[in-house]
Amino acid sequence: QVTLRESGPALVKPTQTLTLTCTLSGFSLSTSGMCVSWIRQPPGKALEWLARIDWDDDKFYSTSLKTRLTISKDTSKNQVVLTMTNMDPVDTGTYYCARMTCGGENYMDVWGKGTTVTVSS
Amino acid sequence: DIQMTQSPSSLSASVGDRVTITCRASQTISRYLNWYQQKPGKAPKLLIYAASSLRSGVPSRVTGSGSETDFTLTISSLQPEDFATYYCQQSYSDPYTFGQGTRLENK
Repeated sequence: QVTLRESGPALVKPTQTLTLTCTLSGFSLSTSGMCVSWIRQPPGKALEWLARIDWDDDKFYSTSLKTRLTISKDTSKNQVVLTMTNMDPVDTGTYYCARMTCGGENYMDVWGKGTTVTVSS
Repeated sequence: DIQMTQSPSSLSASVGDRVTITCRASQTISRYLNWYQQKPGKAPKLLIYAASSLRSGVPSRVTGSGSETDFTLTISSLQPEDFATYYCQQSYSDPYTFGQGTRLENK
């Protein structure tokens, strides 16, 4: 069974760096055609795609956030890590990771349950 | 970045109705268009990928169509479990942008 689980702090202060971990189960990011994306959703608002890392370690970022984001993977631990610097209250929301079948039709077929992050002093 | 525009932003309908949601891309994306359903407090779920391919387990009353810049999601006979928010997403080029969502409400 394929699952993803997000973890990280529920509360961060403005200007701090957020580090989120996505733990994968039931598939490997070393498999050709596998990718993992991060997506966020402010309360009551739309989904926003943030970043993606591919099986071959290619990385892609949101244009508006790319200066603040870093995505990486640890295949041995089956984890994908997203860091976001200089956090602001507008970054408050639910952060999801999702498995993406990529290199072909490119779709996110399995999502984690999400982790809620509040940015407040 | 490719901009995705959904219409309407919200829609009120009844069980048994046929509903259609439209998604327009700011440039051609071939058929790299996916549809997701999200219910309150839950993660999104994939419904349709590659514009018209139905994900396994999704009921056949849900269909997707379109290509290039114009796409539609149709639910032929609404069921109670279909009331949710729907998002389109292009996966033609990075960054993979979402539409703003369409909230489908029970009339």
